[in-house]
Order: sequence, then structure tokens, then C-alpha cells
Amino acid sequence: QSALTQPASVSGSPGQSITISCTGTSSDVGGYNYVSWFQQHPGKAPKSMIYDVINRPSGVPDRLSGSKSGNTASLTISGLQAEDEADYYCSSYTSSSTVVFGGGTKLTVL
Amino acid sequence: EVQLVESGGGLVQPGGSLRLSCAASGFTFSDYWMTWVRQTPGKGLEWVATIKADGSERYYVDSVKGRFTISRDNAKNSLYLQMNSLRAEDTAVYYCARDRTRLAYWGQGTLVTVSS
Repeated sequence: QSALTQPASVSGSPGQSITISCTGTSSDVGGYNYVSWFQQHPGKAPKSMIYDVINRPSGVPDRLSGSKSGNTASLTISGLQAEDEADYYCSSYTSSSTVVFGGGTKLTVL
Repeated sequence: EVQLVESGGGLVQPGGSLRLSCAASGFTFSDYWMTWVRQTPGKGLEWVATIKADGSERYYVDSVKGRFTISRDNAKNSLYLQMNSLRAEDTAVYYCARDRTRLAYWGQGTLVTVSS
């Protein structure tokens, strides 16, 4: 049950676009369309932003989008805003009927 | 409005036990898988365990197998995590979340500290 691989940090200026990658294996990300993305602000609980690779819960702006290619999933945030600054985590269902998270990515809005 | 409220955290000595609870409201609890996720202070998220809506299937991360037990009482709209043989590395904020993979809703978390 190794953690999915995410970059430790990404940054962008307001209005720009950024992409966070989440790399796993054929036993998790590559094998199932059950990748989720979560946003976490300091001291707060995680919040669902993307589920089942591409779906946005109601209330999540369409500036956020998810995708997957092979064993790598991605979260793209366009039109960066100051409020997007947070930690982002991906997760995936696995062939062991468990769930594995990525190590998290700190997004800084410059 | 969906609400998940965890309780039961605290300070416990290594080798001790603790039972966490999660009170759910705002949705039909008995229709959903439920999950526990933990977060070591200042670090990332770790999936701990999940239980099917009717309690018939349970899955655990390897590091807690044989020590933790996830359970639920659908009549009380409550989820539980019985933690035995606690270790220092179990120190974390424990969150309950709705669903198996989507994890659409999360509680505010309860802090478990394992220390002598």
C-alpha cells in the first residue's frame, strides 16, 4: 500500500493555470476510475473537489478539472485565485479493496 | 445538511485502547459506506478503514490490521473505531468521512495522542 506520488509543491500567479499530478500503478490509479482530489486549508478538514476522476461536487467551481492518463491522474486549476492556496491530496481505490492517498501538494498563489 | 461529528479522542499510553465515535446526520446513514482517515500533525492523509453500509464488509490499512476494528450502528446513525494496542505512530487527527472512495463529507476530526 505505497502512497501515490505527488509533487511536494507547486505555485502560480493569480489568473494562471497549474496542474498537480498524482502517479500510482496499474493496481490503483491506472486500474480504476475512482480517483478523488481533496483541498485542505490549514486547521480545516479536507474538502472533496473532484471524484471519479473527472466529476465535481456541487459548489466546486468549474475552474477545477480532473483527468487521467495511464497510471497518472491530474488536477488542473485555471484562473488561480488567492483562495486556492491550500494543500491538495489525491486518492485512489486499489486492487486490495482499500484506498491510498498521495503525499499531498502545497499550492502557493504568488 | 450533512454533519459528521467525531468524539472520543484524547491522550492514551502506548499499549492502551481508545474508542472513537462519529455521529452522522443529514443523510440516510444506512445507505452509505463509511470511512476513517487519519492525519499525523503536519503531515499527510492516511486511509485507515472502511465499512459497508450494512456492516458486512470491512477493510483496513495493513498497519492497523488486528489492532483496530471499524463498526457501525445504523439504528444510532453512528460509526465507531475501536483502537487497541496503540502505538506512538498512531498519534493523529482521526476523521470520519462518508463513502468508500468519493469521501464527499468529512467531520472536523478528533485528536488521538499516544504517549507515556
